[in-house]
Amino acid sequence: EPEVTQTPSHQVTQMGQEVILRCVPISNHLYFYWYRQILGQKVEFLVSFYNNEISEKSEIFDDQFSVERPDGSNFTLKIRSTKLEDSAMYFCASTPLSGANVLTFGAGSRLTVL
Amino acid sequence: AQKITQTQPGMFVQEKEAVTLDCTYDTSDQSYGLFWYKQPSSGEMIFLIYQGSYDEQNATEGRYSLNFQKARKSANLVISASQLGDSAMYFCAMREGPQRAQKLVFGQGTRLTINP
Repeated sequence: EPEVTQTPSHQVTQMGQEVILRCVPISNHLYFYWYRQILGQKVEFLVSFYNNEISEKSEIFDDQFSVERPDGSNFTLKIRSTKLEDSAMYFCASTPLSGANVLTFGAGSRLTVL
Repeated sequence: AQKITQTQPGMFVQEKEAVTLDCTYDTSDQSYGLFWYKQPSSGEMIFLIYQGSYDEQNATEGRYSLNFQKARKSANLVISASQLGDSAMYFCAMREGPQRAQKLVFGQGTRLTINP
């Protein structure tokens, strides 16, 4: 069954460093998303991406964050100047243009900021 | 106000029993979707079941069914014949607006523990 692949599974970084989280969405999907889950809390929407541009973003997704689709397969989330409170599980997800209503999530990338 | 409310932080159930996980939602949209996801201790988010606001019948997927009561704005998940592998965190989520925009709002989750 097709799946969304995320790397790395776990990254530890120092406060102030830049982090790039990578995702390979399902190949025929055209909508891409990043969600975040702080430990023990609910999952929160960060951003959606379609046709090489952001279609919607939450108030969490400020100038510290950016997304990019650098080639035909990867979808990245960049976090600049990381803060302690950026420690969380980051989930990538994708959906096709039409048909299925269901977000397919990746396994997540756990980010720990020290 | 919370858009998705899950009032049971934890539930303990004996194996083979049925279990109902509660979810209420708040929206003024006519078109919306309701989802349940399972998150085992390994952390991934696994889709279980979906109910559209215009669907007249309750959704079912194997042992999972969604008890959709639109007037009460509730979308409870029912797991029949629970198994040890059902022990996990369960999240209810809602999509408001057009189907293509899968911006989901999640509840706080319910931790389900199945006892042998």
